[in-house]
Amino acid sequence: SAVISQKPSRDICQRGTSLTIQCQVDSQVTMMFWYRQQPGQSLTLIATANQGSEATYESGFVIDKFPISRPNLTFSTLTVSNMSPEDSSIYLCSAYPRGEVTGELFFGEGSRLTVL
Amino acid sequence: KQEVTQIPAALSVPEGENLVLNCSFTDSAIYNLQWFRQDPGKGLTSLLLIQSSQREQTSGRLNASLDKSSGRSTLYIAASQPGDSATYLCASNTGNQFYFGTGTSLTVIP
Repeated sequence: SAVISQKPSRDICQRGTSLTIQCQVDSQVTMMFWYRQQPGQSLTLIATANQGSEATYESGFVIDKFPISRPNLTFSTLTVSNMSPEDSSIYLCSAYPRGEVTGELFFGEGSRLTVL
Repeated sequence: KQEVTQIPAALSVPEGENLVLNCSFTDSAIYNLQWFRQDPGKGLTSLLLIQSSQREQTSGRLNASLDKSSGRSTLYIAASQPGDSATYLCASNTGNQFYFGTGTSLTVIP
């Protein structure tokens, strides 16, 4: 299994500002993902955070808006840039244990952002 | 693209009842299916993982089944308790990505 810590757990932000969310895993993992969950909705994959290379973004998400870093096998950050009220969501970090392609997906506690 | 549907969207039961949550998916070419629990405003907690070669998995009062050919999974909760109140999500793993259902919001009334 994997224990995933995210911070901040919640924040209230002003329109036009940027916020960086940190994700720390207690073991080395091959794959890390960032999801967004808008109010009342299910999860939408933003991007796969690749260690040592640029993240792979899903359709509708771009690097300028959601820059991601992955400096090593246990840590990643997601920045939400130039925020607007539409960015108010829960942002979730998840990880896939190393070498287990069919393994269990684990999640952090989520970061709940409210943009005023 | 895989589509995952969960029925019902919301469910309210008295404490002690047994209940079934349903999950259906359109593409049967999956590696596995996973059930999660989500408390309001929080992250997801993994409940059960069923590999594509398995028919069911059990953990305590929870039992999940998988019928790949029909594209269905069920989560059975025995002797429900107020602490089981949460949203339950299923997700199918196609190898490239996890696809999530919209969840079933469960309320267990004391």
